[in-house]
Amino acid sequence: KQEVTQIPAALSVPEGENLVLNCSFTDSAIYNLQWFRQDPGKGLTSLLLIQSSQREQTSGRLNASLDKSSGRSTLYIAASQPGDSATYLCATESYSNYQLIWGAGTKLIIKP
Amino acid sequence: DVKVTQSSRYLVKRTGEKVFLECVQDMDHENMFWYRQDPGLGLRLIYFSYDVKMKEKGDIPEGYSVSREKKERFSLILESASTNQTSMYLCASSFSYEKLFFGSGTQLSVL
Repeated sequence: KQEVTQIPAALSVPEGENLVLNCSFTDSAIYNLQWFRQDPGKGLTSLLLIQSSQREQTSGRLNASLDKSSGRSTLYIAASQPGDSATYLCATESYSNYQLIWGAGTKLIIKP
Repeated sequence: DVKVTQSSRYLVKRTGEKVFLECVQDMDHENMFWYRQDPGLGLRLIYFSYDVKMKEKGDIPEGYSVSREKKERFSLILESASTNQTSMYLCASSFSYEKLFFGSGTQLSVL
């Protein structure tokens, strides 16, 4: 059964730093992996989706990588800003059904 | 832009009431999902639907039912609300194996 882990649960960094959020999964037979952002009390926003055949995806200051063989994905945020403060979740989707398996999220705080 | 609209942002109900949570999407997505999110427990799937009139149980379907009579609308029903159903409810939709789009959520309090 797929398990998705995000460590650390919380991270606080000064504004302007580049940072990496981690996501690991136990079953490499995934169809894709998504990174989401959630602001307090709000719904989730999909940031990046990486297909299993891809190594990375980029959107603006965000870059997500995928290494299926090691069961890891990273979300790189360049030149962090206070507006990047949110909880970031990753989720995998398998070939066998439509259900996503979710990590518990990393709460990111960017200090001005 | 894709829009997933949940009918209520906040809802307060009494124990034993029948509660309807409505979700509408405007992108012709075949897949729709209902999640609940609780502190420390993360996102848990209640039900999902991959076509009109089709439904599949998720991880925690007990105490809930769903209805999908039209492609754009997916309703979550709490037959007899209980205090342990106080939670944030999130609706989402997608095409198969593509990005998942969420509504803003409904914070339900059952007193």
